[in-house]
Amino acid sequence: DAKTTQPPSMDCAEGRAANLPCNHSTISGNEYVYWYRQIHSQGPQYIIHGLKNNETNEMASLIITEDRKSSTLILPHATLRDTAVYYCIVRVVIDSNYQLIWGAGTKLIIKP
Amino acid sequence: DVKVTQSSRYLVKRTGEKVFLECVQDMDHENMFWYRQDPGLGLRLIYFSYDVKMKEKGDIPEGYSVSREKKERFSLILESASTNQTSMYLCASSSGGTSGNEQFFGPGTRLTVL
Repeated sequence: DAKTTQPPSMDCAEGRAANLPCNHSTISGNEYVYWYRQIHSQGPQYIIHGLKNNETNEMASLIITEDRKSSTLILPHATLRDTAVYYCIVRVVIDSNYQLIWGAGTKLIIKP
Repeated sequence: DVKVTQSSRYLVKRTGEKVFLECVQDMDHENMFWYRQDPGLGLRLIYFSYDVKMKEKGDIPEGYSVSREKKERFSLILESASTNQTSMYLCASSSGGTSGNEQFFGPGTRLTVL
């Protein structure tokens, strides 16, 4: 079962910041939060991941609440090419192996 | 750039046929994965492998088997295809012995079983 809950869809205006929320209230202390996105007809693409601290890279920022029960992915200046399904994922350990538990994702539509 | 390739983008098979889906990666990654993706369900892990000739069941292995004879190649086998195996199949690879690192995905194979 998915360990994350996301809104099914969101809109954002081009050039504005896109803030994508994710709830993971049952996350355990050693489980990371990962974000991937999937543009139509392509395989998923890694964006960012984090454990407790906020993280930033060239694609996005990840803000994780202090209690770790939710997080927000921020695309600072959304472009039309950022239209995609965004997946918030918890990485769990099962039988000593890491696995990504995927939810249904948020379909983000960037509007001109 | 890391490249993960899958043998077909689209495949149509008949019920009962044996189906082979091939995946090749060129980054010398230890870990390889097979997922299926269905509308509204996200990705579900079928099998993964963290070394040559090693395999581990994921969440939904029933009806599938895998083969990893070489490090760069991971094959998914449907022994007797059924209509409920109509889906998008995605292959991924990652570095590291415990599969904890970023996964790189192929473009997917859309399989239709008639």
